[in-house]
Amino acid sequence: DQQVKQNSPSLSVQEGRISILNCDYTNSMFDYFLWYKKYPAEGPTFLISISSIKDKNEDGRFTVFLNKSAKHLSLHIVPSQPGDSAVYFCAASGQETYKYIFGTGTRLKVLA
Amino acid sequence: EADIYQTPRYLVIGTGKKITLECSQTMGHDKMYWYQQDPGMELHLIHYSYGVNSTEKGDLSSESTVSRIRTEHFPLTLESARPSHTSQYLCASSEYEGWSGYTFGSGTRLTVV
Repeated sequence: DQQVKQNSPSLSVQEGRISILNCDYTNSMFDYFLWYKKYPAEGPTFLISISSIKDKNEDGRFTVFLNKSAKHLSLHIVPSQPGDSAVYFCAASGQETYKYIFGTGTRLKVLA
Repeated sequence: EADIYQTPRYLVIGTGKKITLECSQTMGHDKMYWYQQDPGMELHLIHYSYGVNSTEKGDLSSESTVSRIRTEHFPLTLESARPSHTSQYLCASSEYEGWSGYTFGSGTRLTVV
């Protein structure tokens, strides 16, 4: 059973608009959450993180929101740029383990 | 500039061959990981190491083996490759704090024919 789910395999957004990528998890023991971006033929690159003591973390155009009661996190990209087109993975880990469990990814396409 | 290196980037090999996928990092990270990813699927942890001479199997069963003789080096070996091993293999490392995230290598795309 998947513990980390990204139910939208793909998303298309116009340049300049907001991209919202969603992620749900089932394990209430998860304490750390990450978003990675992956281009074809490359390894994932770390984008932004959030720990369970926060409900929001911002880094430039990227904001991650965490709703612990709903076991849901989302990544907002504003404004979206064509260079943001990639596959985005969310990942979760418990406090005492450094092993992250990844979702299946959402392919974002930003249209110029 | 990448601080974690994987070689080869691409490999096509015949069934039954022994292969070793190399992974090296220059950041002095204690923790290293191998993930396997099939297209459109999640990354599955197959091996991890928390330091020299420490290796553990991950959540996804794998016929591969790993070794950690030096901090910077974490190679993965398949003794006898099969077509079911065709996949992308991603190596990663991390610092002590769990939420600092991983640094991934560029991956090795393995095709077994």
